[in-house]
Amino acid sequence: GAVVSQHPSRVICKSGTSVKIECRSLDFQATTMFWYRQFPKQSLMLMATSNEGSKATYEQGVEKDKFLINHASLTLSTLTVTSAHPEDSSFYICSARVLAGSTGELFFGEGSRLTVL
Amino acid sequence: GIQVEQSPPDLILQEGANSTLRCNFSDSVNNLQWFHQNPWGQLINLFYIPSGTKQNGRLSATTVATERYSLLYISSSQTTDSGVYFCAVSNTGKLIFGQGTTLQVKP
Repeated sequence: GAVVSQHPSRVICKSGTSVKIECRSLDFQATTMFWYRQFPKQSLMLMATSNEGSKATYEQGVEKDKFLINHASLTLSTLTVTSAHPEDSSFYICSARVLAGSTGELFFGEGSRLTVL
Repeated sequence: GIQVEQSPPDLILQEGANSTLRCNFSDSVNNLQWFHQNPWGQLINLFYIPSGTKQNGRLSATTVATERYSLLYISSSQTTDSGVYFCAVSNTGKLIFGQGTTLQVKP
């Protein structure tokens, strides 16, 4: 299957700092990537859709000024958690599909575990 | 938006047993995927199955799109099958996840 890679896999930061997470499609180009968040013992919740060359679209209840998304190339999307607080501690996972459009299999990165102290 | 329900929420099996996990969804879909989330959080793609039946080794899946459900079969379960199994569906391009089934296979 297609490979999606995230970095870093784990990050610990102090409250009030910003953290950037990268999501790369390694063997294909992705015009659209998706960012999810997963709290312990819960399911994955879609946060936003990252669109190459345009603004991200956010799901209801997700603060766009807090979770900055940039999709500057066809293989890279970044999620920046600004002014992180302990309640932002979570597992963040990105995904992408090989085929353009709204159908087709989605592949997921390894996830990035954020701990805010 | 579309609703996804998985059952059972928890399942404990003895090694070698068979099991069936179910996924019900509330609207027509053009994408349905089954995943296994390992202890490190990685989502492993099991099946992309918006309709029909597929098999991969000890695992198989069937989606009956007209009746809005999918089944994941695990045969001859092994301890390495333990983890959380997610069903996720889409009719907008955005994949929506169910709450998952936590499977524990005991030796």
